[in-house]
Amino acid sequence: GAGVSQSPSNKVTEKGKDVELRCDPISGHTALYWYRQSLGQGLEFLIYFQGNSAPDKSGLPSDRFSAERTGGSVSTLTIQRTQQEDSAVYLCASRPGVGTGGTEAFFGQGTRLTVV
Amino acid sequence: QQPVQSPQAVILREGEDAVINCSSSKALYSVHWYRQKHGEAPVFLMILLKGGEQKGHDKISASFNEKKQQSSLYLTASQLSYSGTYFCGTAGGCNFNKFYFGSGTKLNVKP
Repeated sequence: GAGVSQSPSNKVTEKGKDVELRCDPISGHTALYWYRQSLGQGLEFLIYFQGNSAPDKSGLPSDRFSAERTGGSVSTLTIQRTQQEDSAVYLCASRPGVGTGGTEAFFGQGTRLTVV
Repeated sequence: QQPVQSPQAVILREGEDAVINCSSSKALYSVHWYRQKHGEAPVFLMILLKGGEQKGHDKISASFNEKKQQSSLYLTASQLSYSGTYFCGTAGGCNFNKFYFGSGTKLNVKP
């Protein structure tokens, strides 16, 4: 697609339920990032993918959070047993890949997750 | 690892200037600046690479001093459209593995 696509755009879930957030990066972009943005706050790094591998999972806040990427393209962020503090906007970004540190990251519109 | 931005918030009148600073405790390869308007995704402004370069377009420019591990974003003769939250993002290497953002600077330009 023309840009980074995230779905759903909004998700309301009950506490304790599992949710899956999807990110479809720009075609050909091998690097993919997930960030979390709480209301009025900055961008909290969650995880980074290069291709299908995740060399950096250091930002995942707990073992309830996991992410995968298949085919070097679409990525899914899964939150199990959601808690109210998981409520935030989850942003995905992609960039061309290794050795291109001088290139910009393109962001999706985000998924607004509300845990009630 | 997260860069530190200052100030946290700025209120300007149209036509006034502002400087937003970004500093890191780690050696930097590049600094990226983004602007985010309320309810929207961050939008890329510019990248600065090692070499102490300075960039700019229109009335927004930035500098990068890799020795001091600092970058500054300069907004001159501010316009209403400049309002938003500005984030700096820093990468420690050309492979961009770890790309962290600062906590943001909220800029409000008033008529």
